[in-house]
Order: sequence, then C-alpha cells, then structure tokens
Amino acid sequence: AQKVTQAQTEISVVEKEDVTLDCVYETRDTTYYLFWYKQPPSGELVFLIRRNSFDEQNEISGRYSWNFQKSTSSFNFTITASQVVDSAVYFCALSEARDTDKLIFGTGTRLQVFP
Amino acid sequence: DSGVTQTPKHLITATGQRVTLRCSPRSGDLSVYWYQQSLDQGLQFLIQYYNGEERAKGNILERFSAQQFPDLHSELNLSSLELGDSALYFCASSTYRGGSEAFFGQGTRLTVV
Repeated sequence: AQKVTQAQTEISVVEKEDVTLDCVYETRDTTYYLFWYKQPPSGELVFLIRRNSFDEQNEISGRYSWNFQKSTSSFNFTITASQVVDSAVYFCALSEARDTDKLIFGTGTRLQVFP
Repeated sequence: DSGVTQTPKHLITATGQRVTLRCSPRSGDLSVYWYQQSLDQGLQFLIQYYNGEERAKGNILERFSAQQFPDLHSELNLSSLELGDSALYFCASSTYRGGSEAFFGQGTRLTVV
C-alpha cells in the first residue's frame, strides 16, 4: 500500500536558521514520483518540486534543497537561512502513476519561522 | 497564480442542501482532480477526470459526484450535505504524462451549518 509519513507535525525556528522537513514514503512500485507542496496561510497549494524514482540526484533551488534516498525511502526538504515568508504547511506527496497519477499526501508539517 | 480557477471561494449552506463547485483547469491540461482537505482526514483524493472520462475514484462519498465537460472544466456536486462535509475542496489539473505535477486552484471553502 502507498503511504507518506511526515512525522514532524510542527517545527518552529528563528529566521536564518536552516530547517529540514522529513518525508518517508512506502510503495511497492518501482516507478513512482515524489512531490513537495507548500500551503501558505492564504490556503492555496503551491507546487515546489517533482522527482521520479529513477533520479536520485539531489536538487537545489535557491534556498531550497531536496535529498532523495531510495535506500531509506526518504525525500527530505531543507530550507537554508529560513525567512518569515517560509512559514507555511509543507506537504510531501507520492504518485505511482499507474492507471492514475493521483497524489497521496502526507499529513503535512507546519513550519513557523519567527523573526 | 497556478492557472487553475475555482469558484466560488467560499460557500456556506445548510445541512441537507446541494451545492456545485466549479473548476477551470490550466490551459492545455486534460486531467482534472478533486481533493478534499479536512482537519481529521487531511488531504484526500476524491476523483480524477481525463478528457471528459472518469479516470480514477478515491474516497468519494456516494452523495458526491463530478463531471468534466467538453470544454474541460469540471464540476463537483455535493448533495444531502452534512456537517462533516465542511472542508476545503481543491481542484487540480495536469497534463497527465507520467506523474506530471498537478497545479492546484485556490480551493473552495465549504461550511455546512
């Protein structure tokens, strides 16, 4: 069965601290896709990144970086030098892309960045 | 702006009523998804349409139905509403190619009183 676990319910940091959001997934498929979405206080869901199961290269985009490790079924997200605008709920999601590419979401991690 | 438009943004209605939520996908996207976000269930997949045809069903109640029209917009119909149906309903669209990323609308917040 497919499952995404985000064990950290809430994280609080002070601005400029680095923070890592954990994501562990379960799937029986060899082909799958992993995503991160951001939900700011305004409520919309903003796409951040997509990785496929064959590409374990880490990715960096500005202050954001992602570490994908198949050996531990993890897809962790690090924000470097956090800012108040990073305050949001972050969701990790899995898609097996077989007959459907529906997203299976984790429960989310609420990140609060204090000035 | 994701390019996905959902209307209305807010909806307040009474138990037992029926409502329709509307979604216009991004230009060029053939696939539309509906998700429900509630405090107790989190973000749950409801249903997917691809080019007018139902593609997949998730945890969608029998009181709920959806369709995708020839112009690719989609509607989610919720009937015999109960207090527990209060939630944020998201529509998303994608190109549906090998786990393509889905772009979400701003959501419709439904409050059943």
